[in-house]
Amino acid sequence: GQQLNQSPQSMFIQEGEDVSMNCTSSSIFNTWLWYKQDPGEGPVLLIALYKAGELTSNGRLTAQFGITRKDSFLNISASIPSDVGIYFCAGQGNNRKLIWGLGTSLAVNP
Amino acid sequence: DTGVSQNPRHKITKRGQNVTFRCDPISEHNRLYWYRQTLGQGPEFLTYFQNEAQLEKSRLLSDRFSAERPKGSFSTLEIQRTEQGDSAMYLCASSLARTSGFIQETQYFGPGTRLLVL
Repeated sequence: GQQLNQSPQSMFIQEGEDVSMNCTSSSIFNTWLWYKQDPGEGPVLLIALYKAGELTSNGRLTAQFGITRKDSFLNISASIPSDVGIYFCAGQGNNRKLIWGLGTSLAVNP
Repeated sequence: DTGVSQNPRHKITKRGQNVTFRCDPISEHNRLYWYRQTLGQGPEFLTYFQNEAQLEKSRLLSDRFSAERPKGSFSTLEIQRTEQGDSAMYLCASSLARTSGFIQETQYFGPGTRLLVL
């Protein structure tokens, strides 16, 4: 099925560093969602974006809905060990289906 | 609000057996989705319900798979004559779908049911 281009595929960083990941699509979306998934668990919603250009923060997380409606980024500032996990972007178009990226695996060295 | 719950969390079965999973969505959410996820991949859409009506099924959903949401609340996903390739995490998500000029909907996921077919 259709997938988003999510990068980077994996990151290994030092505690305290900032992290940035992004997703791009060939299709226009109405909604961009960012989820975090821990092993053996379901995805947990981090940030939801509904308008082009929207910039939203949730604690140390900041995400933006690209102005072209075809991309989004997620930034994590001052990373901590519990940020470890897989981060997924998902876009939703008019047909309501969520299209997913392949995830960014984040490892944080304390 | 207790979030989306799924039962069981883990299921080990022998090939050929039938299995049934249950999902309880967030109360008052009118949409319920089933996904399948394998290692290294994002969730793959299987089917979704608006209230009790099953509105769409993916081509991934073979004849051995059936889902119901009889009263528009909880949902069950049954897999008949399981195969080793059915081994995966089965995720349920729910949402409150409304339109306000454009479609706006956020899906919240349960913890998943991990199926292993031996």
